[in-house]
Amino acid sequence: DAKTTQPTSMDCAEGRAANLPCNHSTISGNEYVYWYRQIHSQGPQYIIHGLKNNETNEMASLIITEDRKSSTLILPHATLRDTAVYYCIVRRTGNQFYFGTGTSLTVIP
Amino acid sequence: EAGVAQSPRYKIIEKRQSVAFWCNPISGHATLYWYQQILGQGPKLLIQFQNNGVVDDSQLPKDRFSAERLKGVDSTLKIQPAKLEDSAVYLCASSSRGFGTGQDNEQFFGPGTRLTVL
Repeated sequence: DAKTTQPTSMDCAEGRAANLPCNHSTISGNEYVYWYRQIHSQGPQYIIHGLKNNETNEMASLIITEDRKSSTLILPHATLRDTAVYYCIVRRTGNQFYFGTGTSLTVIP
Repeated sequence: EAGVAQSPRYKIIEKRQSVAFWCNPISGHATLYWYQQILGQGPKLLIQFQNNGVVDDSQLPKDRFSAERLKGVDSTLKIQPAKLEDSAVYLCASSSRGFGTGQDNEQFFGPGTRLTVL
């Protein structure tokens, strides 16, 4: 199973871009990268996903390296409500998600 | 659309007792998942159903945990007997499809049930 490695914690100033890295060096060619976040006492919330190309939606951008061994989630203008644990997940073909320990992002006023 | 519903939200029991959790997925979603999230860790997949059949239960402690999804809609997860290390949040999720590499396989999570075993 493809595993992911993320920094344990990060800080970001409010209004600045938050860049959250993830390594997934054992990813297979048909496995997607998903990002979720979990705010305290809530279930994980979907943010974005991608296969090879960079992706953008109303919440974030996902940059995937050409070799697909790593990716970066970008929150363009972080707010206090973005304080959460962010999980980078490689999705198996059976749609099983294997979560790591994630990155705890703190947005500082 | 309504999200994934779970009940109860909180449960406190003593070790060796039994407990059951209920999940109602998003209408029309074929695939249902149960996760266990221990404090400070990411969610761990326990079991995955495709309609009413089990797709993956490799990480389910089958000596004490059981799950069913009758009629391919609601699901229950049971622990019997509970141990102290079962204290965790139990999350239910659903997705419109399970297999394949299609785009629409986002998993939608419920709020979870927080279990405390004393």
